[in-house]
Amino acid sequence: AQTVTQSQPEMSVQEAETVTLSCTYDTSESDYYLFWYKQPPSRQMILVIRQEAYKQQNATENRFSVNFQKAAKSFSLKISDSQLGDAAMYFCAYRTSSGGSNYKLTFGKGTLLTVNP
Amino acid sequence: DTGVSQDPRHKITKRGQNVTFRCDPISEHNRLYWYRQTLGQGPEFLTYFQNEAQLEKSRLLSDRFSAERPKGSFSTLEIQRTEQGDSAMYLCASSLDGTATDTQYFGPGTRLTVL
Repeated sequence: AQTVTQSQPEMSVQEAETVTLSCTYDTSESDYYLFWYKQPPSRQMILVIRQEAYKQQNATENRFSVNFQKAAKSFSLKISDSQLGDAAMYFCAYRTSSGGSNYKLTFGKGTLLTVNP
Repeated sequence: DTGVSQDPRHKITKRGQNVTFRCDPISEHNRLYWYRQTLGQGPEFLTYFQNEAQLEKSRLLSDRFSAERPKGSFSTLEIQRTEQGDSAMYLCASSLDGTATDTQYFGPGTRLTVL
């Protein structure tokens, strides 16, 4: 079974600074997808960024980028120019690309990000 | 708003009572997932539907839990004889077609408190 570990329960960053959230995972599969989801307080979870394991190039979405190290099974999220609206719980998630038709997500425990003005 | 919606947003019940939650997915999405999120944890998979067919259930889904998706549209999750351990956020997500590249879109969740 796949597992996802987020070793930082909480992180804080100054507005306009850069912060990196860590995620490691365990899998025996060679092809899969990794995600970062953001869950603001009392609001629904939204997708921040997605990475396909077969792609060597790291995904980027505006101020958000990942450092995907497949051999190390590491998938960190870098947030540049942090904004107050980035404050949220961030979840790392894994999804198989095979396994029949169930593309369920396996989540880590999350990292609570605080942005200080 | 054409996103995933869930009703109610909050539910407080007494132990032993039955509760039912509803999820309305994005209209053209044929995949619907239920997850449960307890305090300090990430969401955990409960079950999923492809159209009206319930294709997999997690071992977390005890016999007291039942889910339906009539006509492949909205879905309901019922918990019978609630226990305090059922207190959690219940999240619904939908995706377009279940291909390897599709994205799950989440609803706001239903927070259940069992007294």
